[in-house]
Amino acid sequence: SYDLTQPSSVSVSSGETASITCSGDGLGAKYVSWYQQRPGQSPLLVIYQDNKRPSGIPERFSGSNSGTTATLTIRGTQAIDEADYSCQAWDSSTALVFGGGTKLAVL
Amino acid sequence: EVQLVQSGGGLVQPGGSLRLSCAASGFNFNGYAFFWVRQAPGRALEYVSTIGIDGLTKDYANSVKGRFSISRDNSENTLYLHMGSLRADDTAIYYCARDDTGSWYGGIPNWGQGTQVTVSS
Repeated sequence: SYDLTQPSSVSVSSGETASITCSGDGLGAKYVSWYQQRPGQSPLLVIYQDNKRPSGIPERFSGSNSGTTATLTIRGTQAIDEADYSCQAWDSSTALVFGGGTKLAVL
Repeated sequence: EVQLVQSGGGLVQPGGSLRLSCAASGFNFNGYAFFWVRQAPGRALEYVSTIGIDGLTKDYANSVKGRFSISRDNSENTLYLHMGSLRADDTAIYYCARDDTGSWYGGIPNWGQGTQVTVSS
């Protein structure tokens, strides 16, 4: 099976930049999506195709993917960004694979 | 507006059965495949199953193979997950999701609200 590794938690001061990583073998050859999940809510897609933002997602959210690591970056982090973030890898031949999730704390 | 409204969760004893439903509206249900994804308390999102447009193409995670069955009723625009031989480690929130991975390069923008399944005696 294919595994994706994320840090369990990341802390960032309000207004600063948060970076959340996602690692997996050959991840750069796959497409990576990122989901935000607040308590009691369904996953919300914030990044797809490595670095694309769906309509309605603030510009402060961005993504990158190269080698074995994908990164979700949140610039000017706000209190409302405090949530769990999960990465997901995809290529057309494999089932959905999710990372373990990262709890983002905004201090 | 795409809507996926789930129902059917609850408390069930180990070894019991449950059927989850996911009623779709706002789009052509017949034209999409669907997923079930679950999330156990404090754990990661986990793929459970997928069903193709034809209703015949199906896939299951190893953890549920032989116990769970996915189906769809295109006349009722509804997706189902039939869960049997339930175990404590099936306790989770279950989400249905529309398969948009082909057009969103793997991204899944449309999810149901989730339904809690608790397996306990």
